[in-house]
Amino acid sequence: RKEVEQDPGPFNVPEGATVAFNCTYSNSASQSFFWYRQDCRKEPKLLMSVYSSGNEDGRFTAQLNRASQYISLLIRDSKLSDSATYLCVVLPQGGYNKLIFGAGTRLAVHP
Amino acid sequence: EPEVTQTPSHQVTQMGQEVILRCVPISNHLYFYWYRQILGQKVEFLVSFYNNEISEKSEIFDDQFSVERPDGSNFTLKIRSTKLEDSAMYFCASNTERASASTDTQYFGPGTRLTVL
Repeated sequence: RKEVEQDPGPFNVPEGATVAFNCTYSNSASQSFFWYRQDCRKEPKLLMSVYSSGNEDGRFTAQLNRASQYISLLIRDSKLSDSATYLCVVLPQGGYNKLIFGAGTRLAVHP
Repeated sequence: EPEVTQTPSHQVTQMGQEVILRCVPISNHLYFYWYRQILGQKVEFLVSFYNNEISEKSEIFDDQFSVERPDGSNFTLKIRSTKLEDSAMYFCASNTERASASTDTQYFGPGTRLTVL
């Protein structure tokens, strides 16, 4: 089983749509969780951290279910500028900050 | 806003040659990392570095790889004898000014694209 698994995508959605990405992780002792965004041939950039109680940042909502080892990202009112690859990222416990990346889910928002 | 910088942006080399990739982490950060991303694949951890020594390395980081912090600002990744399969994007990252808070967000540099011919 892969350490971090994501929907492969791509997701092609119109502007204004709501889209949800899912992610599962295999290490139940993982301690921190993140969503990063990566544009083509660019570096990963932190979109948001994911907290156990769920958290929201504008149009973006992240949820964590530790019992199911499941993370989600919801994007509301999609913009053209949201087109990118979304990376689910996990920090294992005691891993000296070694981030474990999922393969990413590609989102394409069209007019 | 402070940022991680990397040079060069693109490095082309012949198989068997040595390459040094350079990074300048965010000033006052204490933890430094190298990751790589082969085209079309996921980002993979290579090595973490703290207090002038390697704190963890992956199975990818074999004897051909080494890291160094030669001065107070630069952090380098050396590949002694490059292979075709070393062709990838190499990202440097750094985080936190606080020795006890290594789980802070990691900030990534723009990457160096390494092409081995």
